Amino acid sequence: DGGITQSPKYLFRKEGQNVTLSCEQNLNHDAMYWYRQDPGQGLRLIYYSQIVNDFQKGDIAEGYSVSREKKESFPLTVTSAQKNPTAFYLCASSIGVAGAADTQYFGPGTRLTVL
Amino acid sequence: QKEVEQNSGPLSVPEGAIASLNCTYSDRVSQSFFWYRQYSGKSPELIMSIYSNGDKEDGRFTAQLNKASQYVSLLIRDSQPSDSATYLCAVKSTGGFKTIFGAGTRLFVKA
Repeated sequence: DGGITQSPKYLFRKEGQNVTLSCEQNLNHDAMYWYRQDPGQGLRLIYYSQIVNDFQKGDIAEGYSVSREKKESFPLTVTSAQKNPTAFYLCASSIGVAGAADTQYFGPGTRLTVL
Repeated sequence: QKEVEQNSGPLSVPEGAIASLNCTYSDRVSQSFFWYRQYSGKSPELIMSIYSNGDKEDGRFTAQLNKASQYVSLLIRDSQPSDSATYLCAVKSTGGFKTIFGAGTRLFVKA
């Protein structure tokens, strides 16, 4: 089955820890995205990548880092510099065409909680 | 700052009625418009996309776009309790990779 997988589904972080969220897709999509969703708010873009070995900061990149070493994978690291990381994290991918008709599809999400 | 605005709701409709969800956007060069459905605790799933002015129908769903008024809507006919969810409006501008999401409208369909 083609799709986007995220792991783990639930993640607990202690203060001062870095944690890495996994995102893998087998849709052969060039573009991948990380969003954060807080209760009652829309999706906020953390980072996005249009192609392998390239990525750009989104609207709320501070305290996060990413890598894009493979087309299929776009892991997100939540560093200790992110002061309020408790949220629902969503990974998405798209074909990667600038302009119209570039629909994003989402993985199942990872819920991160700071203890 | 490009914005997408939605009424947060909740919008409550009886089973079998038409639910009307509305969205306005600020960027006039927006070209692609999407509606996603998100059940509680789950990720968004695409319902419809629309690119041209007018109506686009898919089963019980109809998306309506008016670029002059910067307005996009989603109609759900014969609403079912299983339609109860948060509906996210998303807008993408020409030439860019970023999609801007609204905060969503919660819909509750009463049996």
